Amino acid sequence: AQTVTQSQPEMSVQEAETVTLSCTYDTSESDYYLFWYKQPPSRQMILVIRQEAYKQQNATENRFSVNFQKAAKSFSLKISDSQLGDAAMYFCAYRRETSGSRLTFGEGTQLTVNP
Amino acid sequence: KAGVTQTPRYLIKTRGQQVTLSCSPISGHRSVSWYQQTPGQGLQFLFEYFSETQRNKGNFPGRFSGRQFSNSRSEMNVSTLELGDSALYLCASSLGVAKNIQYFGAGTRLSVL
Repeated sequence: AQTVTQSQPEMSVQEAETVTLSCTYDTSESDYYLFWYKQPPSRQMILVIRQEAYKQQNATENRFSVNFQKAAKSFSLKISDSQLGDAAMYFCAYRRETSGSRLTFGEGTQLTVNP
Repeated sequence: KAGVTQTPRYLIKTRGQQVTLSCSPISGHRSVSWYQQTPGQGLQFLFEYFSETQRNKGNFPGRFSGRQFSNSRSEMNVSTLELGDSALYLCASSLGVAKNIQYFGAGTRLSVL
């Protein structure tokens, strides 16, 4: 079975600084997708960024980028120029190519942004 | 375009009762997935429906069931409620192809007393 591990239950960053959230996963599959979702206090799960395993290039979305290391099964999220609105719980998630829409989530990292 | 809509937002039930939660996906989306979120177990996959058929099922007891209608709206039912069923239930919709992004609703907060 696939597992996703986020070893940092809590992280904090100063506004305008950069922070990196860690995620590792375990799978025997070669084709899969990795995601970072953000869940603010409103509870709405919002997609931050997506990475397809067959793509070597790391995904970027504005201030958000990932460091995808397929051999090491590592998928970290870097948030640059942190803003107060980035404060939320961040979940790393895995989806097999052939499993429909089923996501396996990590435990989450609570990010605090200090002014 | 309207997002994923879950109703009700909050629900309070007592042990032994049953409950039905509803999820209306984004227009055009044919896949609906359900997740349970608790502080102890985190986010766990319940099941996925695609074109009215259950395509995937998580490791939950038979008290948890669901269905999907021809308009892609989905309902989730929990019978004989237990205290441990208290959770945030999230619904997500997508077009249904593996590449597609899933969009989540705001969830239904169920409290079992």
